[in-house]
Amino acid sequence: DAGVTQSPTHLIKTRGQHVTLRCSPISGHKSVSWYQQVLGQGPQFIFQYYEKEERGRGNFPDRFSARQFPNYSSELNVNALLLGDSALYLCASSLAGSIGTGEKLFFGSGTQLSVL
Amino acid sequence: DQQVKQNSPSLSVQEGRISILNCDYTNSMFDYFLWYKKYPAEGPTFLISISSIKDKNEDGRFTVFLNKSAKHLSLHIVPSQPGDSAVYFCAASDNDYKLSFGAGTTVTVRA
Repeated sequence: DAGVTQSPTHLIKTRGQHVTLRCSPISGHKSVSWYQQVLGQGPQFIFQYYEKEERGRGNFPDRFSARQFPNYSSELNVNALLLGDSALYLCASSLAGSIGTGEKLFFGSGTQLSVL
Repeated sequence: DQQVKQNSPSLSVQEGRISILNCDYTNSMFDYFLWYKKYPAEGPTFLISISSIKDKNEDGRFTVFLNKSAKHLSLHIVPSQPGDSAVYFCAASDNDYKLSFGAGTTVTVRA
């Protein structure tokens, strides 16, 4: 079975541009979460989607947006890129997004975004 | 505001010995705790978890201990193996959908 797949694996953008990152969850998983990992820090929560609805949003500006499609895949969009947006963006999937009840979160390998 | 802290950025241990990784948290509403392991160029993978109603959970070579009064948890790996060399993240949740991660501890197992 395929795990969580993310594309692209690496991306270079310049300040002010926008970027779209894509994620396909594990088959059967209906929830997708996005995390940002800056070098030297742990992953930081951005969004969680379940059944195409946003269930939670982290402390990120409105430049960050996401959506989930009927096939449960997801996109993360970042507008007006800043140098500080350079990070590893991780997508994770789970059956129903109920992490607090013992449901496991499965991560993809991430998209490394560099903003120049 | 860092609610989950891993104060040791690195740990070096000899193969066969015990590795002890520590994690402190500040949010008393956290009720579920996890450890993730990350190899370079891969995403974090789930290792072990513990609910706040327990103080210990064991899975093979891995044991997690939770001290709620001290807001502290630890991960014990025994015996340590070369394949255990990785970055270990402590994470916690106070709701259903979000994990708060520490900054990670890089473990190096020496032969």
